Amino acid sequence: EIVLTQSPATLSLSPGERATLSCRASQSVSIYLAWYQQKPGQAPRLLIYDASNRATGIPARFSGSGSGTDFTLTISSLEPEDFAVYYCQQRSNWPYTFGQGTKLEIK
Amino acid sequence: EVQLLESGGGLVQPGGSLRLSCAASGFTFSGYAMSWVRQAPGKGLEWVSAINAGGSTFYADSVKGRFTISRDNSKNTLYLQVSSLRAEDTAVYYCAKAIIAMGILDYWGQGTLVTVSS
Repeated sequence: EIVLTQSPATLSLSPGERATLSCRASQSVSIYLAWYQQKPGQAPRLLIYDASNRATGIPARFSGSGSGTDFTLTISSLEPEDFAVYYCQQRSNWPYTFGQGTKLEIK
Repeated sequence: EVQLLESGGGLVQPGGSLRLSCAASGFTFSGYAMSWVRQAPGKGLEWVSAINAGGSTFYADSVKGRFTISRDNSKNTLYLQVSSLRAEDTAVYYCAKAIIAMGILDYWGQGTLVTVSS
């Protein structure tokens, strides 16, 4: 099973700042990595798939990069609605797995 | 508009069973892979099971032999039969639709809570 490790566990930033979230895989997942956003009491929402493709309706301030074992989700300028938990997820090998999440909180 | 509506959750004793359902609308259900993903209270996400458009099924090791995923394309409904339940199966169970590839989930239901407790 591929283990995804996200860092940091918690990120404290202010609106307007740039956020950089990391996800490292225990073995190569090629580009088959996605990012999801989850707010309290809500289902996850797909942001990025296959490392760098924005899902439908996702604002351009969200971008993804990386391949192999190291990936990054960048939010260029934080909006108040961006404070949430973010999960990475791989689909390279079954079982598909999620990282443990990064909580992005308001500083 | 894509909609996924889960039902069937509830309180069940250890060793018990439930059948979770997910009613889908707003897309050609038969043409897409579907999945169940769960989230224990205050914890992260775990991919439980998936079924592709052809009916092939996939399970996490933690539920293999105890859970069964199925689909009824005539009813646009996804199912998860959960049996031999354990306390660690307590979670919100989300139904989700895949985008082309099975491993990318673009629409999610709001979830149904399964609580395993005596």
